[in-house]
Amino acid sequence: DAGVIQSPRHEVTEMGQEVTLRCKPISGHDYLFWYRQTMMRGLELLIYFNNNVPIDDSGMPEDRFSAKMPNASFSTLKIQPSEPRDSAVYFCASSSFRTSGSSDTQYFGPGTRLTVL
Amino acid sequence: QKEVEQDPGPLSVPEGAIVSLNCTYSNSAFQYFMWYRQYSRKGPELLMYTYSSGNKEDGRFTAQVDKSSKYISLFIRDSQPSDSATYLCAMIQAAGNKLTFGGGTRVLVKP
Repeated sequence: DAGVIQSPRHEVTEMGQEVTLRCKPISGHDYLFWYRQTMMRGLELLIYFNNNVPIDDSGMPEDRFSAKMPNASFSTLKIQPSEPRDSAVYFCASSSFRTSGSSDTQYFGPGTRLTVL
Repeated sequence: QKEVEQDPGPLSVPEGAIVSLNCTYSNSAFQYFMWYRQYSRKGPELLMYTYSSGNKEDGRFTAQVDKSSKYISLFIRDSQPSDSATYLCAMIQAAGNKLTFGGGTRVLVKP
């Protein structure tokens, strides 16, 4: 398996522009997570999906952020309009749910390094 | 105050030394405890996974959980330069899938 795939790997944009980050989870995984990592705040969970349905979006910083999962193999995180403080590394991760009720290992993608000028 | 506290380091040790990392947490509902390793410009990867209190050993790595003290540790024996990375602790409640991460400790093993 190729693992979690994210694109683009690097994105540089100007303030006010729309940014779309993409993620392809590991085949067969039913959970998908979007994280943001910065030096100041560390790794923060933004939103996660189960079977393509958003379960918890309490970590989404504001209405400028939105995420979708139209099918089991694709998810997007969109920022519109982007601001310099959105500069960070954005990670996508996927996992499957154990029958015991606990979550399985989360496998992370390589991340998208976003710079908003 | 953050739910999970972790010293950011950096922690610099000579090759062959024991690396000792730890995290403290405040939420007694956490039941599952993990350590992730993150190399520079890479995504985190799971290193150790433990449930409740006790020790778990995997090769050169030992994870300890003390729920009564809300304290977890990771020990790396015979450290190698390839162990140089940021180590993040993470924990999860019994129900649900939200991982809560510590801020990470940067480790540098010098040859």
